[in-house]
Amino acid sequence: AQTVTQSQPEMSVQEAETVTLSCTYDTSENNYYLFWYKQPPSRQMILVIRQEAYKQQNATENRFSVNFQKAAKSFSLKISDSQLGDTAMYFCALPLSGSARQLTFGSGTQLTVLP
Amino acid sequence: GAVVSQHPSWVICKSGTSVKIECRSLDFQATTMFWYRQFPKQSLMLMATSNEGSKATYEQGVEKDKFLINHASLTLSTLTVTSAHPEDSSFYICSAQGAGNGNYGYTFGSGTRLTVV
Repeated sequence: AQTVTQSQPEMSVQEAETVTLSCTYDTSENNYYLFWYKQPPSRQMILVIRQEAYKQQNATENRFSVNFQKAAKSFSLKISDSQLGDTAMYFCALPLSGSARQLTFGSGTQLTVLP
Repeated sequence: GAVVSQHPSWVICKSGTSVKIECRSLDFQATTMFWYRQFPKQSLMLMATSNEGSKATYEQGVEKDKFLINHASLTLSTLTVTSAHPEDSSFYICSAQGAGNGNYGYTFGSGTRLTVV
């Protein structure tokens, strides 16, 4: 079965500091995508970053980057220069195998950026 | 970019009544729609997957007669909560997938907060 695990229910970071959110997953597929989504208090799901498993280079989007370790099935999210607007619930997600490719989500990490 | 409009954003209904939630893809064709349910401080749980023009596939434990899903066109999918009860109170989110929608295949609606009293 494909699973996504986030072991940090809550984290906090000082504004302008760096924080890393952890995610591990399990899949039998060799080619797949991994996602990090952000859900602020508005509850709108916002795509933060995506990683393609066949790419060795870690994905980067401005202040957001990932540390993708395929052999270890680890996919952590690093947020640099944290801003107050980064306060949100963060979900790691993996598409399930099959034709529909539904996303399965981790349990989430509530990140609070402190002023 | 691709947008999915979800309405209503919040609704309060009386126990025993039915509520319909709509998700519309505004600038792409949503061949597949995923419906999720989210309880406070919890993750998104997939309820069902629907493909345009065919019956929805429900996840184990989700009552298909209570949560009616219609995906009659490539731009509209609806979720109807029938004979709602307080335990159905939750946050419901749709996610559309289709050709040319960007977002790497998944575009989320803004969600509907349902409160059954």
